Amino acid sequence: LAKTTQPISMDSYEGQEVNITCSHNNIATNDYITWYQQFPSQGPRFIIQGYKTKVTNEVASLFIPADRKSSTLSLPRVSLSDTAVYYCLVGQPYGNKLVFGAGTILRVKS
Amino acid sequence: EADIYQTPRYLVIGTGKKITLECSQTMGHDKMYWYQQDPGMELHLIHYSYGVNSTEKGDLSSESTVSRIRTEHFPLTLESARPSHTSQYLCASSDSEPPSYEQYFGPGTRLTVT
Repeated sequence: LAKTTQPISMDSYEGQEVNITCSHNNIATNDYITWYQQFPSQGPRFIIQGYKTKVTNEVASLFIPADRKSSTLSLPRVSLSDTAVYYCLVGQPYGNKLVFGAGTILRVKS
Repeated sequence: EADIYQTPRYLVIGTGKKITLECSQTMGHDKMYWYQQDPGMELHLIHYSYGVNSTEKGDLSSESTVSRIRTEHFPLTLESARPSHTSQYLCASSDSEPPSYEQYFGPGTRLTVT
């Protein structure tokens, strides 16, 4: 499974756009990139998944360059409730084992 | 909204006791998982199951055991709890159909062994 590297923490203010970049230099050809969000004392929650280019859903966008060695999760106009840990994962889409790294602690301030 | 449940949410128990952490899902998912997470630390996969009567150990060695007799139920058992087992235990499930890599997590059980 490809190893991922993310910033340990980030600070932002309400209403700003936040971009969290994940490095995954050893990504395999058929690996997908997935992001999860975790609030304290809760299980992680799926945010978005992509293979290449750009993916957008109702909560976030995921930008993946052509070489796929990194990806950027973009959260538009964050609010205090977006304060959480964000995990970038790389691996096979067909179920099974997720490998969670340390994640990025995002703190949104008023 | 995901329908995956864990009980109890919190458990404080003495050393040497046998405990079972319950996990149930109503989504009909074939795959289920148990993760262990210490406060502020990474999640580690300790067990997973691809279906009934299928169980495998995960990446982190654990003294716990699991069973999968029914699709919806994936309990985790510790025969003799020790303080080193104090942690949060998270159960998850996923569908077998690609391409989604989405796992649905339960709320977790916070275990404290005194």
